[in-house]
Amino acid sequence: AQSVAQPEDQVNVAEGNPLTVKCTYSVSGNPYLFWYVQYPNRGLQFLLKYITGDNLVKGSYGFEAEFNKSQTSFHLKKPSALVSDSALYFCAVRDTSPFSGNTPLVFGKGTRLSVIA
Amino acid sequence: KAGVTQTPRYLIKTRGQQVTLSCSPISGHRSVSWYQQTPGQGLQFLFEYFSETQRNKGNFPGRFSGRQFSNSRSEMNVSTLELGDSALYLCASSLSREETQYFGPGTRLLVL
Repeated sequence: AQSVAQPEDQVNVAEGNPLTVKCTYSVSGNPYLFWYVQYPNRGLQFLLKYITGDNLVKGSYGFEAEFNKSQTSFHLKKPSALVSDSALYFCAVRDTSPFSGNTPLVFGKGTRLSVIA
Repeated sequence: KAGVTQTPRYLIKTRGQQVTLSCSPISGHRSVSWYQQTPGQGLQFLFEYFSETQRNKGNFPGRFSGRQFSNSRSEMNVSTLELGDSALYLCASSLSREETQYFGPGTRLLVL
């Protein structure tokens, strides 16, 4: 069965410093990988996705993520954090293996990012 | 293009009652998924519909049900509400199952 792990419940970073939010996954076949962000009392906003192709994916608001197949990771990164980046971040994976059936999109538990001025 | 809309936004019910939540997807999107979000359990998958057919169901009791209409709008119903059903219920739509899901603002349900 597919699964996704976000090992850190909370990440604190100073404004202007680079940030990384970690995500690892487990699937039978090839993964579709997504990052979403959630601000208080809001739904999830799509940031970026990896389907195939270049391992470095660029998304909204200056975020990017690197797909690493050997480490089964898809960490979210930003070169310079802003206070307004403070939010809850979710990694999600869908297994595309034909032997896995109609698998849903599975989300990690979320990582709360706090950017300190 | 209008985003995913969910109604109502807030709801207060008492134990034993039932509730129906509505989701209108982005125009042209045929796939709708529902999730329950709670502080303790995170985002848990409820259902996935495509062209009026349920393609997937999460590990929830039979009190949770859903459907999708021919115009892709979807509803979910929870019968015999329990205190533990208090949560944010999120709906997401996509062009197809493999495409990016776009989320609505959610319906916050409080069961007293």
